[in-house]
Amino acid sequence: DAGVTQSPTHLIKTRGQHVTLRCSPISGHKSVSWYQQVLGQGPQFIFQYYEKEERGRGNFPDRFSARQFPNYSSELNVNALLLGDSALYLCASSLEQFSNQPQHFGDGTRLSIL
Amino acid sequence: AQSVTQLDSQVPVFEEAPVELRCNYSSSVSVYLFWYVQYPNQGLQLLLKYLSGSTLVESINGFEAEFNKSQTSFHLRKPSVHISDTAEYFCAVAGGYQKVTFGTGTKLQVIP
Repeated sequence: DAGVTQSPTHLIKTRGQHVTLRCSPISGHKSVSWYQQVLGQGPQFIFQYYEKEERGRGNFPDRFSARQFPNYSSELNVNALLLGDSALYLCASSLEQFSNQPQHFGDGTRLSIL
Repeated sequence: AQSVTQLDSQVPVFEEAPVELRCNYSSSVSVYLFWYVQYPNQGLQLLLKYLSGSTLVESINGFEAEFNKSQTSFHLRKPSVHISDTAEYFCAVAGGYQKVTFGTGTKLQVIP
């Protein structure tokens, strides 16, 4: 079975632009979470979606939004990009929404803001 | 609120020597604990997890971690490291609806 897939793998944007990142979970996984990993730090939780509903939100501004589709794939949107948004964005999927479920990560989208 | 502290940002160790990567956590609720490994230009892979039961958990590649509730620690150990273990290791704590908090990571450098 394919693992978690993310697209694109790399992206370069300029300040003020908008970006959409995409994630396809492992087949059968209903929960998708998004993380931001700034260079030299651990991943920080942005959102969790389960059955198309938001189930958790981290400490990120409203410029960050996400959604989950009926096939459980997900998009992360970031508006009005800032230099500080440069990071590796990771998507993780799990079977269910509960915190005892191990998460399976994709290889991420590396976003660079110029 | 929950938090994770990984005290060592980098740990160099000679091949075939033992290693311990330290992790301490704080939380006001019952938690689940995880170790993930990240190789360059890749996402994170689950190494092992503590959910309940035995406080000593093991991975298939020789790593083990022990949950110590009184010391709020979940240190990762391996008795003999290999070159292929060179990577960054993240400790994580989760509670509630899977809001996972990661530590800042420890880079393990195995020296031939």
